[in-house]
Amino acid sequence: KAGVTQTPRYLIKTRGQQVTLSCSPISGHRSVSWYQQTPGQGLQFLFEYFSETQRNKGNFPGRFSGRQFSNSRSEMNVSTLELGDSALYLCASTPLGTGQETQYFGPGTRLLVL
Amino acid sequence: KQEVTQIPAALSVPEGENLVLNCSFTDSAIYNLQWFRQDPGKGLTSLLLIQSSQREQTSGRLNASLDKSSGRSTLYIAASQPGDSATYLCAELSGNTPLVFGKGTRLSVIA
Repeated sequence: KAGVTQTPRYLIKTRGQQVTLSCSPISGHRSVSWYQQTPGQGLQFLFEYFSETQRNKGNFPGRFSGRQFSNSRSEMNVSTLELGDSALYLCASTPLGTGQETQYFGPGTRLLVL
Repeated sequence: KQEVTQIPAALSVPEGENLVLNCSFTDSAIYNLQWFRQDPGKGLTSLLLIQSSQREQTSGRLNASLDKSSGRSTLYIAASQPGDSATYLCAELSGNTPLVFGKGTRLSVIA
């Protein structure tokens, strides 16, 4: 089975712009979670989607949003980019998003905001 | 608030040495504890998952233990190799909350 894929892998944007990142989960996985990783804060949860519905949300401003499509692919959007949004954005998938499943992570999208 | 702490933040050992990485967590109502490996600039690779009903899991040279009563997990790496050099992260899952990660231990195995 192919693993979790994320596109693009690298992105450079300027302050005030918006960005959309994409995540394709492992085939058959219906839960997709997004995380932000920075050197200072470590890995922080953004949100989780299951069957096109947001099931959980982390403590991030409304500039961060996401969605999931019927094929389980997910996108996250960040509007009005700030310098502090520079980070590695990781997505992870599981079959059902229960507490008994291993989370499988993609390689991440590295976003640099100038 | 759930917190996961990993000590030490960095560790350097000679090749062949056995080593232990530590992870402590605050939520006793834990569902599972996962250990991940992250190579520089890359995503996370799942190493081991321990369910709350289990005490340990083994995969090759890796052994992870879970002690809910003390809020601790350890990752034991036997006969370390330079290829084991990476950052090791532990994460706990409790209730309906998402994974909470520690900051990681950066391991360097010197040949």
